[in-house]
Amino acid sequence: QKEVEQNSGPLSVPEGAIASLNCTYSDRGSQSFFWYRQYSGKSPELIMSIYSNGDKEDGRFTAQLNKASQYVSLLIRDSQPSDSATYLCAVNGPDSWGKLQFGAGTQVVVTP
Amino acid sequence: DVKVTQSSRYLVKRTGEKVFLECVQDMDHENMFWYRQDPGLGLRLIYFSYDVKMKEKGDIPEGYSVSREKKERFSLILESASTNQTSMYLCASKGIGTTDTQYFGPGTRLTVL
Repeated sequence: QKEVEQNSGPLSVPEGAIASLNCTYSDRGSQSFFWYRQYSGKSPELIMSIYSNGDKEDGRFTAQLNKASQYVSLLIRDSQPSDSATYLCAVNGPDSWGKLQFGAGTQVVVTP
Repeated sequence: DVKVTQSSRYLVKRTGEKVFLECVQDMDHENMFWYRQDPGLGLRLIYFSYDVKMKEKGDIPEGYSVSREKKERFSLILESASTNQTSMYLCASKGIGTTDTQYFGPGTRLTVL
């Protein structure tokens, strides 16, 4: 079993709709959770981080964390074609060096 | 603004060549990482370093070595490049705190012929 799991997609979303991405993780001791966006041929860039249960909003992005159920999600409101990318979920690993465990990523395609 | 830079954006080498990929960060981060990314396989950790001259193997260290002589610089070495090492190589750096953000460099697309 992979430590961080995401649906690979592609997730097709009409422009203006909400994109909902999910991520589950296996290590109950995980403390920090990150969402990265990666455009084709580019490197990942951080868009959200969340550390405590509940919701965290930043512009059109909302991250949701439920440690009891071991999942973290990302909502993208009013999806735009520029949101078309692969979204990587990353979880602070169990060791003390702060090594992140990455999911394989979910590809999002926003259609006009 | 955090900056992680990599020595080359694109690189073409021949089988058997020794290849050096360099990474420099300007945020005084303790941790530095080398990943490779291939379609369908996601990010795979090759090596990481948590201090100068300290290194730990990641998930796929075979065929690679690393060097960290200065805090800001982390080098990935392919001792004898092979075609199966054709990939996108990503360097990253991060502070030691559990909530610290990990920043990526722009990547080096390496082709081994």
